[in-house]
Amino acid sequence: GAGVSQSPRYKVAKRGQDVALRCDPISGHVSLFWYQQALGQGPEFLTYFQNEAQLDKSGLPSDRFFAERPEGSVSTLKIQRTQQEDSAVYLCASSLAGTPKVYEQYFGPGTRLTVT
Amino acid sequence: DQQVKQNSPSLSVQEGRISILNCDYTNSMFDYFLWYKKYPAEGPTFLISISSIKDKNEDGRFTVFLNKSAKHLSLHIVPSQPGDSAVYFCAANRNSGNTPLVFGKGTRLSVIA
Repeated sequence: GAGVSQSPRYKVAKRGQDVALRCDPISGHVSLFWYQQALGQGPEFLTYFQNEAQLDKSGLPSDRFFAERPEGSVSTLKIQRTQQEDSAVYLCASSLAGTPKVYEQYFGPGTRLTVT
Repeated sequence: DQQVKQNSPSLSVQEGRISILNCDYTNSMFDYFLWYKKYPAEGPTFLISISSIKDKNEDGRFTVFLNKSAKHLSLHIVPSQPGDSAVYFCAANRNSGNTPLVFGKGTRLSVIA
């Protein structure tokens, strides 16, 4: 595909339920980022992969959040035992490392998670 | 502590006029700055960027100005068009990229026909 894709686009979960959010980055992009965007706020960093290596997970808000990218392409963000404060849009972005355009991150449409 | 600040939550501009969106930052380690545009129910779309070694970058109707001493950047859109109506996010990163972007809270631009 031409851009970053994410699925599902919308997810409603009952409090305590586990969810899994998927990201397909742009083909060839080795860097992959997850961000969380609360209503009225800018995106905030969660975690970062270079290929399959998770290089930074300092933004994950609790140990209920877990991300993986086992083959260096598709990534999954998993949230266990969801809480109401997890309600947000989860954005995935990818970028092309090793070029001057490494700074430019390209975003998917996001997954809007609502925890009831 | 907000490292990237967009102090104007909203801005209304007449079609054909100039739109100026402002952004301030506090972290002097930032060396690359980006503007993203976001429509409802879509992800942010990269618009324009500037390296800290420059003070201006222009792309069509969009120009970004950087004042490092003031830790301030601005996005100018000339002429403004109704399709420019969106939320604009300022973002910054450091250490040669491959680091998380730090975003401001965004400014909602409305271009009135």
